[in-house]
Amino acid sequence: DVKVTQSSRYLVKRTGEKVFLECVQDMDHENMFWYRQDPGLGLRLIYFSYDVKMKEKGDIPEGYSVSREKKERFSLILESASTNQTSMYLCASSLVLGIHQPQHFGDGTRLSIL
Amino acid sequence: AQKITQTQPGMFVQEKEAVTLDCTYDTSDQSYGLFWYKQPSSGEMIFLIYQGSYDEQNATEGRYSLNFQKARKSANLVISASQLGDSAMYFCAMRDGGNNRLAFGKGNQVVVIP
Repeated sequence: DVKVTQSSRYLVKRTGEKVFLECVQDMDHENMFWYRQDPGLGLRLIYFSYDVKMKEKGDIPEGYSVSREKKERFSLILESASTNQTSMYLCASSLVLGIHQPQHFGDGTRLSIL
Repeated sequence: AQKITQTQPGMFVQEKEAVTLDCTYDTSDQSYGLFWYKQPSSGEMIFLIYQGSYDEQNATEGRYSLNFQKARKSANLVISASQLGDSAMYFCAMRDGGNNRLAFGKGNQVVVIP
């Protein structure tokens, strides 16, 4: 079974802090994704990576950056956290590019910015 | 334009009964993939079932089956013999056009009652 692990289930940070959300997958997947999920807005793609050190902006990249130094790890960085970044963050991975490949998700991180 | 539409209000289902969750999609591509995910209140997003646009048979996975009607652009999820643990949000998603992104619907809430 695919295992996608997010470093924290719950996280509380202060406005202006630099925040790191970590995600690790154990199935040698090429692609990794970061989403945020908000009531009424559904899941929105922030960034994704299709290879080590490669990244592509999703639909809402503003205020975020990502890092993928190793294939198994994909980090989401909030450069200067703001209250409107309070949300549920979900990491996912998929084996390769292709419309038939499911994405496998981690347990999510509920982030609160005070 | 919204690619995935899930419009049913929250549903209450009696334990052991079947439930059908509606999903319609919009694409001009001939090749695409459809996915259903389950998200319990704990937050993790669980991949349930996949249907390819060229698959002639409806997908099945244990108690989950997909009623795929290509001409109507619908991909309804059927859960047979509902269990209390089926209480969750259910999301329909699609990937098309060589796109590495998943487009998600807004979800259907299901509550199974004893």
